[in-house]
Amino acid sequence: GAGVSQSPRYKVAKRGQDVALRCDPISGHVSLFWYQQALGQGPEFLTYFQNEAQLDKSGLPSDRFFAERPEGSVSTLKIQRTQQEDSAVYLCASSATPPWDRAANSGNTIYFGEGSWLTVV
Amino acid sequence: AQTVTQSQPEMSVQEAETVTLSCTYDTSESNYYLFWYKQPPSRQMILVIRQEAYKQQNATENRFSVNFQKAAKSFSLKISDSQLGDTAMYFCAYKLSGAGSYQLTFGKGTKLSVIP
Repeated sequence: GAGVSQSPRYKVAKRGQDVALRCDPISGHVSLFWYQQALGQGPEFLTYFQNEAQLDKSGLPSDRFFAERPEGSVSTLKIQRTQQEDSAVYLCASSATPPWDRAANSGNTIYFGEGSWLTVV
Repeated sequence: AQTVTQSQPEMSVQEAETVTLSCTYDTSESNYYLFWYKQPPSRQMILVIRQEAYKQQNATENRFSVNFQKAAKSFSLKISDSQLGDTAMYFCAYKLSGAGSYQLTFGKGTKLSVIP
């Protein structure tokens, strides 16, 4: 597709349910990121993939959060046993090259999706 | 740890006027990037402008320009000839430069309203 696509756009989950959020990055993009944006806050880093390798998961809030990108394209963020504090917008982003690649210049621009709004009731 | 502070939760400006959004950051590093992102109600973060810390010249993109003061750790965004479509949340963000650096650190945002 032309941009980063996320689904579902809106999800209401009962506390204790498991949810899965999908991200389709721009085709061919090497880097993929997940961010969590709570109401009234800026996005906060969750995890980073370079192709299929999860290079950093230090931002995941607890072991209930799990992300994967098995074939280096589509990624899924899974939240088990959801809690009310998990309510947020989950933003996925991708870039053509590793984001530290200065030679790529505009090629390492990070493109964001429209996010998945999760409400836990 | 790096922090980004946006001290103006909300601002408004008349259409066609100029507005400046403030951002300060804290870092002990010398090589980094600074960004301004726009987030309309759709929630998609859109890159407005980028500045590399080693470049002294302030970045400009059409109606958008920055005032980068490295010593003061200040990075303000000026929007000239404001348009109704500029109404959105604006986030200042920081990213360390160098191999292995990929995390963006965002401020809390400034809600900008352009008034007709």
